[in-house]
Amino acid sequence: GQQVMQIPQYQHVQEGEDFTTYCNSSTTLSNIQWYKQRPGGHPVFLIQLVKSGEVKKQKRLTFQFGEAKKNSSLHITATQTTDVGTYFCAGTDSWGKLQFGAGTQVVVTP
Amino acid sequence: DGGITQSPKYLFRKEGQNVTLSCEQNLNHDAMYWYRQDPGQGLRLIYYSQIVNDFQKGDIAEGYSVSREKKESFPLTVTSAQKNPTAFYLCASSIADRDSPLHFGNGTRLTVT
Repeated sequence: GQQVMQIPQYQHVQEGEDFTTYCNSSTTLSNIQWYKQRPGGHPVFLIQLVKSGEVKKQKRLTFQFGEAKKNSSLHITATQTTDVGTYFCAGTDSWGKLQFGAGTQVVVTP
Repeated sequence: DGGITQSPKYLFRKEGQNVTLSCEQNLNHDAMYWYRQDPGQGLRLIYYSQIVNDFQKGDIAEGYSVSREKKESFPLTVTSAQKNPTAFYLCASSIADRDSPLHFGNGTRLTVT
Protein backbone atom coordinates (compact mmCIF):
# COMPACT_ATOMS: atom_id res chain seq x y z
CA GLY A 1 0.00 0.00 0.00
CA GLN A 2 0.87 3.65 -0.23
CA GLN A 3 3.62 4.55 2.23
CA VAL A 4 3.28 8.31 1.98
CA MET A 5 -0.09 9.74 2.93
CA GLN A 6 -1.21 13.31 2.43
CA ILE A 7 -4.04 15.07 4.19
CA PRO A 8 -6.35 16.63 3.40
CA GLN A 9 -7.08 15.37 -0.11
CA TYR A 10 -8.97 18.60 -0.88
CA GLN A 11 -8.57 22.04 0.66
CA HIS A 12 -11.00 24.86 -0.05
CA VAL A 13 -9.57 28.16 1.14
CA GLN A 14 -10.89 31.71 1.16
CA GLU A 15 -8.44 34.14 -0.37
CA GLY A 16 -6.33 35.69 2.37
CA GLU A 17 -6.67 32.75 4.77
CA ASP A 18 -3.91 30.40 5.92
CA PHE A 19 -3.88 26.63 5.58
CA THR A 20 -1.63 23.65 6.19
CA THR A 21 -1.27 20.36 4.34
CA TYR A 22 0.38 17.35 5.90
CA CYS A 23 2.49 14.48 4.65
CA ASN A 24 2.99 11.33 6.73
CA SER A 25 5.18 8.33 6.04
CA SER A 26 5.09 4.89 7.62
CA THR A 27 8.89 4.70 7.32
CA THR A 28 11.79 7.06 7.89
CA LEU A 29 12.67 9.17 4.88
CA SER A 30 16.11 10.43 3.90
CA ASN A 31 14.57 13.56 2.43
CA ILE A 32 11.22 15.09 1.54
CA GLN A 33 10.45 16.98 -1.63
CA TRP A 34 7.45 19.16 -2.40
CA TYR A 35 6.00 19.75 -5.86
CA LYS A 36 3.19 21.92 -7.17
CA GLN A 37 1.04 21.01 -10.14
CA ARG A 38 -1.18 23.73 -11.58
CA PRO A 39 -4.46 22.62 -13.20
CA GLY A 40 -3.65 21.14 -16.61
CA GLY A 41 0.07 21.37 -15.93
CA HIS A 42 2.93 19.21 -14.75
CA PRO A 43 4.52 18.92 -11.30
CA VAL A 44 7.14 21.54 -10.59
CA PHE A 45 9.73 21.08 -7.86
CA LEU A 46 9.37 23.56 -5.00
CA ILE A 47 11.80 22.55 -2.28
CA GLN A 48 13.71 19.72 -0.61
CA LEU A 49 14.22 19.13 3.10
CA VAL A 50 16.94 16.82 4.33
CA LYS A 51 17.65 17.44 8.01
CA SER A 52 15.54 16.38 10.96
CA GLY A 53 13.43 19.31 12.16
CA GLU A 54 14.39 21.43 9.17
CA VAL A 55 12.26 24.46 8.33
CA LYS A 56 12.48 26.35 5.04
CA LYS A 57 10.53 29.33 3.78
CA GLN A 58 9.67 30.52 0.31
CA LYS A 59 7.80 33.81 0.58
CA ARG A 60 4.37 32.82 1.96
CA LEU A 61 5.17 29.08 1.99
CA THR A 62 6.74 27.39 5.03
CA PHE A 63 7.95 23.81 4.78
CA GLN A 64 8.82 21.65 7.76
CA PHE A 65 10.43 18.21 8.12
CA GLY A 66 9.59 16.34 11.30
CA GLU A 67 12.10 15.40 13.97
CA ALA A 68 11.66 11.69 13.24
CA LYS A 69 11.89 12.33 9.49
CA LYS A 70 8.55 10.63 8.97
CA ASN A 71 6.34 13.62 8.38
CA SER A 72 6.31 17.01 6.78
CA SER A 73 4.01 19.98 6.43
CA LEU A 74 3.44 22.85 4.05
CA HIS A 75 1.87 25.98 5.49
CA ILE A 76 0.66 28.76 3.20
CA THR A 77 -0.18 32.16 4.65
CA ALA A 78 -2.47 34.75 3.10
CA THR A 79 -3.57 32.43 0.29
CA GLN A 80 -3.79 33.94 -3.17
CA THR A 81 -5.52 32.70 -6.32
CA THR A 82 -2.08 31.88 -7.73
CA ASP A 83 -1.76 29.18 -5.04
CA VAL A 84 -4.40 27.06 -6.79
CA GLY A 85 -3.15 23.61 -7.73
CA THR A 86 -2.23 20.25 -6.30
CA TYR A 87 0.66 20.03 -3.89
CA PHE A 88 2.53 16.73 -3.74
CA CYS A 89 5.06 15.57 -1.21
CA ALA A 90 7.55 12.86 -2.12
CA GLY A 91 10.05 11.15 0.13
CA THR A 92 12.97 8.84 -0.46
CA ASP A 93 12.65 5.68 1.61
CA SER A 94 15.43 3.47 2.96
CA TRP A 95 15.47 1.49 -0.29
CA GLY A 96 16.25 4.65 -2.24
CA LYS A 97 12.80 4.76 -3.76
CA LEU A 98 10.96 8.06 -4.17
CA GLN A 99 7.41 7.67 -2.86
CA PHE A 100 4.80 10.23 -3.86
CA GLY A 101 1.78 11.14 -1.80
CA ALA A 102 -1.61 11.42 -3.54
CA GLY A 103 -1.53 15.19 -3.26
CA THR A 104 -3.65 17.95 -1.73
CA GLN A 105 -5.82 19.75 -4.26
CA VAL A 106 -6.17 23.41 -3.29
CA VAL A 107 -9.09 25.52 -4.46
CA VAL A 108 -9.07 29.22 -3.63
CA THR A 109 -12.28 31.21 -3.39
CA PRO A 110 -11.89 34.95 -4.11
CA ASP B 1 16.88 26.52 -22.64
CA GLY B 2 17.30 23.14 -21.03
CA GLY B 3 14.28 21.02 -20.43
CA ILE B 4 12.25 17.91 -21.09
CA THR B 5 10.05 17.62 -24.14
CA GLN B 6 7.17 15.21 -24.33
CA SER B 7 5.23 14.72 -27.49
CA PRO B 8 2.49 14.72 -28.46
CA LYS B 9 0.48 16.60 -25.82
CA TYR B 10 -2.70 14.68 -26.67
CA LEU B 11 -2.87 11.22 -28.19
CA PHE B 12 -5.86 9.16 -29.23
CA ARG B 13 -5.72 5.47 -30.04
CA LYS B 14 -8.06 2.59 -30.64
CA GLU B 15 -8.05 -0.31 -28.23
CA GLY B 16 -5.66 -3.07 -29.26
CA GLN B 17 -3.06 -0.73 -30.76
CA ASN B 18 0.39 -0.12 -29.33
CA VAL B 19 1.40 3.49 -28.96
CA THR B 20 4.77 5.10 -28.22
CA LEU B 21 5.17 8.28 -26.19
CA SER B 22 8.25 10.37 -26.79
CA CYS B 23 10.46 11.92 -24.09
CA GLU B 24 13.63 13.89 -24.85
CA GLN B 25 15.78 15.87 -22.41
CA ASN B 26 18.74 18.20 -22.92
CA LEU B 27 19.58 18.63 -19.25
CA ASN B 28 22.39 16.07 -19.44
CA HIS B 29 20.66 14.08 -16.72
CA ASP B 30 21.58 10.43 -16.27
CA ALA B 31 18.30 9.28 -14.76
CA MET B 32 14.93 9.30 -16.50
CA TYR B 33 11.51 8.17 -15.32
CA TRP B 34 7.99 7.51 -16.55
CA TYR B 35 5.03 8.16 -14.26
CA ARG B 36 1.34 7.65 -14.73
CA GLN B 37 -1.20 10.00 -13.20
CA ASP B 38 -4.91 9.22 -12.91
CA PRO B 39 -7.51 11.80 -11.78
CA GLY B 40 -7.29 12.54 -8.08
CA GLN B 41 -4.33 10.24 -7.63
CA GLY B 42 -0.65 10.68 -7.10
CA LEU B 43 2.14 9.67 -9.40
CA ARG B 44 2.83 6.00 -9.97
CA LEU B 45 6.19 4.90 -11.33
CA ILE B 46 6.12 2.82 -14.48
CA TYR B 47 9.79 2.47 -15.43
CA TYR B 48 13.04 4.23 -14.70
CA SER B 49 16.53 4.28 -16.11
CA GLN B 50 19.66 5.44 -14.35
CA ILE B 51 22.05 4.91 -17.22
CA VAL B 52 22.01 4.31 -20.96
CA ASN B 53 21.06 0.77 -22.02
CA ASP B 54 19.70 -0.07 -18.58
CA PHE B 55 16.23 0.34 -17.09
CA GLN B 56 14.20 -1.03 -14.20
CA LYS B 57 10.52 -1.77 -13.65
CA GLY B 58 8.61 0.51 -11.36
CA ASP B 59 5.41 -0.23 -9.46
CA ILE B 60 3.10 -0.61 -12.47
CA ALA B 61 5.27 -1.84 -15.37
CA GLU B 62 2.84 -4.45 -16.69
CA GLY B 63 1.64 -3.59 -20.20
CA TYR B 64 4.42 -1.06 -20.79
CA SER B 65 7.89 -1.20 -22.33
CA VAL B 66 10.77 1.26 -22.59
CA SER B 67 14.18 1.65 -24.19
CA ARG B 68 17.18 3.82 -23.34
CA GLU B 69 19.48 3.75 -26.33
CA LYS B 70 20.55 7.37 -25.91
CA LYS B 71 21.08 9.47 -22.79
CA GLU B 72 18.66 12.10 -24.08
CA SER B 73 15.77 9.83 -24.98
CA PHE B 74 13.50 7.49 -23.01
CA PRO B 75 10.44 6.49 -25.09
CA LEU B 76 7.54 4.62 -23.48
CA THR B 77 5.41 2.12 -25.39
CA VAL B 78 1.93 1.45 -24.11
CA THR B 79 1.05 -2.00 -25.39
CA SER B 80 -2.32 -3.57 -26.01
CA ALA B 81 -1.71 -5.66 -22.89
CA GLN B 82 -2.21 -2.61 -20.66
CA LYS B 83 -5.78 -2.94 -19.41
CA ASN B 84 -6.51 0.70 -18.58
CA PRO B 85 -4.17 2.80 -20.70
CA THR B 86 -6.14 6.05 -20.65
CA ALA B 87 -4.19 8.38 -18.37
CA PHE B 88 -1.83 11.33 -18.13
CA TYR B 89 1.78 10.22 -18.66
CA LEU B 90 4.65 12.21 -17.24
CA CYS B 91 8.31 11.85 -18.10
CA ALA B 92 10.93 13.14 -15.67
CA SER B 93 14.67 13.31 -15.33
CA SER B 94 17.21 13.94 -12.58
CA ILE B 95 20.91 13.73 -11.91
CA ALA B 96 21.92 10.27 -10.81
CA ASP B 97 21.93 11.00 -7.07
CA ARG B 98 18.96 9.21 -5.52
CA ASP B 99 17.85 12.27 -3.53
CA SER B 100 17.85 14.60 -6.51
CA PRO B 101 14.61 16.40 -7.37
CA LEU B 102 12.78 15.53 -10.55
CA HIS B 103 12.29 17.75 -13.57
CA PHE B 104 9.06 16.90 -15.35
CA GLY B 105 7.99 17.25 -18.95
CA ASN B 106 4.60 18.75 -19.87
CA GLY B 107 3.02 15.34 -20.10
CA THR B 108 1.06 13.39 -22.71
CA ARG B 109 -2.63 12.76 -22.23
CA LEU B 110 -3.46 9.40 -23.79
CA THR B 111 -7.03 8.41 -24.55
CA VAL B 112 -7.77 4.88 -25.73
CA THR B 113 -11.25 4.03 -26.96
